[in-house]
Amino acid sequence: GAGVSQSPRYKVAKRGQDVALRCDPISGHVSLFWYQQALGQGPEFLTYFQNEAQLDKSGLPSDRFFAERPEGSVSTLKIQRTQQEDSAVYLCASSPYSGAARNSPLHFGNGTRLTVT
Amino acid sequence: SQQGEEDPQALSIQEGENATMNCSYKTSINNLQWYRQNSGRGLVHLILIRSNEREKHSGRLRVTLDTSKKSSSLLITASRAADTASYFCATVRNSGGSNYKLTFGKGTLLTVNP
Repeated sequence: GAGVSQSPRYKVAKRGQDVALRCDPISGHVSLFWYQQALGQGPEFLTYFQNEAQLDKSGLPSDRFFAERPEGSVSTLKIQRTQQEDSAVYLCASSPYSGAARNSPLHFGNGTRLTVT
Repeated sequence: SQQGEEDPQALSIQEGENATMNCSYKTSINNLQWYRQNSGRGLVHLILIRSNEREKHSGRLRVTLDTSKKSSSLLITASRAADTASYFCATVRNSGGSNYKLTFGKGTLLTVNP
């Protein structure tokens, strides 16, 4: 079956531009996460959705970052007025379980590499 | 902020040798997971160990967990060139309500030379 799909694979934006990154989770997966991974670092948590509800957005670095999952499937991470420090790989992950079933692995997409020039 | 710290940061071995990577963490956890990431790709789940477990095996992988020392180790036996990747530990703790966070370390870059 299909895994987690992210698009675009690569995105180059000029500083100040808005970008939108898309995540298609595995069909039927309840939980969806966004992570940011800087070069040579581990992924850092951004936000978590259970179906369409955004239960945790504590990792979003500023109010320029916004995520949504309006129908509980596809999710979009939007970054407004991009800055050079936003350059990173943005990873999406999904799980068939809600947060209550914590003993389950996450399924990751291949990420979107964002470069802000 | 990153909860786990992997050690070493980089490891280079010959094919056939064993590779051991360590992870230390700071707070109490529900479980600990190890993931692998090939260059330019997403993370792939390898193995999960619950807080009440001490050791777990999966194929050539062996994971140990010592909650008193807040540490875990990942052993890959009889390594292959295809094992070359970055390896991350990730901890799960209850962050309240019905959600949970998976918090990753900085990773160990393993290079297996043919």
